[in-house]
Amino acid sequence: QVHLEQSGAEVKKAGASVKVSCKTSGYLFGGHFLHWVRQAPGQGLEWMGWINPNSGRTNYAQRFQGWVTMTRDKSISTAYMELSSLKSDDTAVYYCARINCAGGVCWFDYWGQGTLVTVSS
Amino acid sequence: QSALTQPASVSGSPGQSITISCTGTGSEVETYNLVSWYQQYPGKVPKLIIYEGSTRPSGVSNRFSGSKSGNSASLTISGLQSEDEADYYCCSYATITTPFFGGGTKLTVL
Repeated sequence: QVHLEQSGAEVKKAGASVKVSCKTSGYLFGGHFLHWVRQAPGQGLEWMGWINPNSGRTNYAQRFQGWVTMTRDKSISTAYMELSSLKSDDTAVYYCARINCAGGVCWFDYWGQGTLVTVSS
Repeated sequence: QSALTQPASVSGSPGQSITISCTGTGSEVETYNLVSWYQQYPGKVPKLIIYEGSTRPSGVSNRFSGSKSGNSASLTISGLQSEDEADYYCCSYATITTPFFGGGTKLTVL
């Protein structure tokens, strides 16, 4: 069955970078875009961007442009999200999520278990 | 900048029905079937419960239903149960745009 397995929790200093992985299984890696969504403590869901696993093309939310990088390694069906110049308010759980679309409409049908990134000053 | 507005909290007693609204400022909800809904327990992963406005994934209880009224999409939970106590998020996403999440609604079962 479809499974998205994320890397473990990270603790980083302010100003550092973090790279989170999302290893997929149970479906054709190139068949679905992968998105990254984050959730700060006690807050809602915030969309960060997506990557097309086939082409590697990305689309980032405007507020993350310039400091997020999404990549993938097709050989191991894994996507990555790297966030640079971390600040304390980047402390959040970061999720990868698979998108499914039909007739021009999309929804997030499978989610990774989340990766807690804690940024200390 | 588009946005989806949800009530911060709703509550209901076991057996009752509750409705959570998701109101768009642009065209995000006017095209009703763009909306999906997610249930999230504290510390857990969001779970898809409604997509294409009103379709339930396999395994989701038929007590959950989606609908639209004007520029608002709605999630209705009927026959409220204690296990329904969670946060609920709406999301609007068309392939030609980017996804927007509502701010989330905390459901309390009294």
